[in-house]
Amino acid sequence: DARVTQTPRHKVTEMGQEVTMRCQPILGHNTVFWYRQTMMQGLELLAYFRNRAPLDDSGMPKDRFSAEMPDATLATLKIQPSEPRDSAVYFCASGFPDEQYFGPGTRLTVT
Amino acid sequence: GQQVMQIPQYQHVQEGEDFTTYCNSSTTLSNIQWYKQRPGGHPVFLIQLVKSGEVKKQKRLTFQFGEAKKNSSLHITATQTTDVGTYFCAGRDYGQNFVFGPGTRLSVLP
Repeated sequence: DARVTQTPRHKVTEMGQEVTMRCQPILGHNTVFWYRQTMMQGLELLAYFRNRAPLDDSGMPKDRFSAEMPDATLATLKIQPSEPRDSAVYFCASGFPDEQYFGPGTRLTVT
Repeated sequence: GQQVMQIPQYQHVQEGEDFTTYCNSSTTLSNIQWYKQRPGGHPVFLIQLVKSGEVKKQKRLTFQFGEAKKNSSLHITATQTTDVGTYFCAGRDYGQNFVFGPGTRLSVLP
């Protein structure tokens, strides 16, 4: 049963620290999406990749967020420096191309 | 830019009643997907529609894609408590822009 995996599942960090979230997409999927979900803003698309190339990162605060796919089995989302307003659940999803299968999410708390 | 709206934002129904949520895009879509997210969970893919006027059914769920490919609906017949959650539509336009709708939160009273 193929699934998207995300690590860590929970992260508590102090403001100013670097946070790296990792995602392993389903083997064979050629698109990877990063989302952020909060009660106030709902589900926001941050960035997505197709065949490891970034197609759209317009939803991402460029000054502190970065997303990469070093290889087909790993996608990363990095926040540096983190701020309290970054507290949210971050979901990764993979698809072929648009039927998306979501991971369980990383719950980030920045104090 | 492309925008997708969903109505209603919230819906409370008695178990056994029907439920419909509507998804409206400001631009023509090449495809549309529907997802369900249970409280505390992650969105789960339900279905994708691609053709104008397409109708697909999954047990008690009926999905429609409008003729103009700018709107879609999800209808649940005889809701059950297991239908509780937030239903999202998402779609891609012909400019390859992709967007998620804000969701409709469904509560089912037993």
